[in-house]
Amino acid sequence: DQQVKQNSPSLSVQEGRISILNCDYTNSMFDYFLWYKKYPAEGPTFLISISSIKDKNEDGRFTVFLNKSAKHLSLHIVPSQPGDSAVYFCAASGPLAGSYQLTFGKGTKLSVIP
Amino acid sequence: NAGVTQTPKFRVLKTGQSMTLLCAQDMNHEYMYWYRQDPGMGLRLIHYSVGEGTTAKGEVPDGYNVSRLKKQNFLLGLESAAPSQTSVYFCASSYSISHTDTQYFGPGTRLTVL
Repeated sequence: DQQVKQNSPSLSVQEGRISILNCDYTNSMFDYFLWYKKYPAEGPTFLISISSIKDKNEDGRFTVFLNKSAKHLSLHIVPSQPGDSAVYFCAASGPLAGSYQLTFGKGTKLSVIP
Repeated sequence: NAGVTQTPKFRVLKTGQSMTLLCAQDMNHEYMYWYRQDPGMGLRLIHYSVGEGTTAKGEVPDGYNVSRLKKQNFLLGLESAAPSQTSVYFCASSYSISHTDTQYFGPGTRLTVL
């Protein structure tokens, strides 16, 4: 049973426009959410996170929004740049089975077209 | 600072062969993790370690063993490789168990089992 879902395998956006990547989760025990970015042949790198006590966190061009009632979060990238082309993984953590391990979604491949 | 490094980068094995993947980190992190990533899948946790000399099972531990003899190293072993273990393996580390701590990933090892 997939607890973190990224239903869009891919997304294409024009340079300069907004990219919106979505993530849904099913486990209400998750209380911390993260986005990781992954380039080909590299490991994932941390991008931005949000605690369940907040509904928005902003870091430069990247903003994450959390809607707890809908169990939904989204990553907004404004403006999108060609260097943002990568796979983005949504991850969640919380006291599952007594530990705080990360549960990852399947990823969304973002392509920013110049 | 090299961060998290993994050895080897690529490996091809025949069914039944054994091998060890090495992960090293120079950030003095207590926690270390091994993940696998399969096509169309998110990262899944194989095993993790909460400190030197201690290991624990993750989501998909079967067919793998791990050891953490030194704080900076975390080894992943395959005793008898199977084609189902063809995957990209990522090691990660974090400073503490706090689920708000960032996990830093290595570049990955691409393993093919024929």
